[in-house]
Amino acid sequence: IAGITQAPTSQILAAGRRMTLRCTQDMRHNAMYWYRQDLGLGLRLIHYSNTAGTTGKGEVPDGYSVSRANTDDFPLTLASAVPSQTSVYFCASSQGSGANVLTFGAGSRLTVL
Amino acid sequence: GQNIDQPTEMTATEGAIVQINCTYQTSGFNGLFWYQQHAGEAPTFLSYNVLDGLEEKGRFSSFLSRSKGYSYLLLKELQMKDSASYLCAAMDSNYQLIWGAGTKLIIKP
Repeated sequence: IAGITQAPTSQILAAGRRMTLRCTQDMRHNAMYWYRQDLGLGLRLIHYSNTAGTTGKGEVPDGYSVSRANTDDFPLTLASAVPSQTSVYFCASSQGSGANVLTFGAGSRLTVL
Repeated sequence: GQNIDQPTEMTATEGAIVQINCTYQTSGFNGLFWYQQHAGEAPTFLSYNVLDGLEEKGRFSSFLSRSKGYSYLLLKELQMKDSASYLCAAMDSNYQLIWGAGTKLIIKP
């Protein structure tokens, strides 16, 4: 089934630890995104990539890094996790970087203690 | 600044009609999206409007007024499975999405 796979589904992490959230899509979409979703707030863009080999900063990039070595994979890394990074993280993709429909992964729930 | 406003929560009765409003302020405008998100799941696309007017898609319709910075999502013949959060998102001149916090819709029998 075509779509986006995220891993892990859920993770509890000690503060200061490094963590990578994985995201893979099989739709050959050019653009990929990482959002965080917190209660009472809209989805906030962390980082994005319009095409393989390029990345850009979103609204809340501090403490996060991404890479886009190929079309399919877009991992998000927390170099040294802090409690404020406790959130649900969604990876998404779209055919292009303009006014395109986003397809979301199932999300990764991260708790930083 | 850029901003999206939508009600936090709404309650409606099974079989009825409900209208979820969304107002937006963005730097430029490249369209308005509605997504549905069931609890614990990913958002899924419902509709996209870039021109003024009503777009109908089965039981769901979406309306846009660019001059008023206003959109609504109309759900008819409500079913229990429509219980979800509905996310409004406006696209600015840089094609960045500005998201509302979502409207939680509760359907009662």
